[in-house]
Amino acid sequence: QKEVEQDPGPLSVPEGAIVSLNCTYSNSAFQYFMWYRQYSRKGPELLMYTYSSGNKEDGRFTAQVDKSSKYISLFIRDSQPSDSATYLCAMSESYTGANSKLTFGKGITLSVRP
Amino acid sequence: EAQVTQNPRYLITVTGKKLTVTCSQNMNHEYMSWYRQDPGLGLRQIYYSMNVEVTDKGDVPEGYKVSRKEKRNFPLILESPSPNQTSLYFCASTFLGQSNEKLFFGSGTQLSVL
Repeated sequence: QKEVEQDPGPLSVPEGAIVSLNCTYSNSAFQYFMWYRQYSRKGPELLMYTYSSGNKEDGRFTAQVDKSSKYISLFIRDSQPSDSATYLCAMSESYTGANSKLTFGKGITLSVRP
Repeated sequence: EAQVTQNPRYLITVTGKKLTVTCSQNMNHEYMSWYRQDPGLGLRQIYYSMNVEVTDKGDVPEGYKVSRKEKRNFPLILESPSPNQTSLYFCASTFLGQSNEKLFFGSGTQLSVL
């Protein structure tokens, strides 16, 4: 089993839809969970960050972590065409100061149709 | 403007011809890293550096070299490129010990080795 698994996609939804993006992982030592967004021909940029279990909300975006199930999700409400991008989950055992490696999922490409 | 700058954006070369991809950041970050991104494989870390003169291997270091002589620069060197190194390369940087794991990525270098 790969360390981080992400739904391969691609995913196409109509504007205004609620989008759910998911990742599962096998390493129970992961404590830091992130979602990066990557627009075409650009580098990834941090979208959401969560430490340990729980929910975190930022505008239309909600990140959810369930450590007992080793499952993380990103929800996008009222999706917009500008949300069309590739979304990558990432996770680590500790922060970079502790020499911890960041492990990425393969990414899922989302297209929001006007 | 805070940024990570990679050059060149696109590069086509032939097998065995040494090349260097440059990376520079203007945010005084201690930590810098190189990734390659391939379809179906996601982002994989090549090398990283915790500070000047401190570098270490990531997941896929074979065929690559790096150096960190100055804090702002972290060049990626391919001494004898091969076709399996055709990929999209990203440089990234961040502060050490930062709890939000915000990696700043460059815009990428698309390398084709013929």
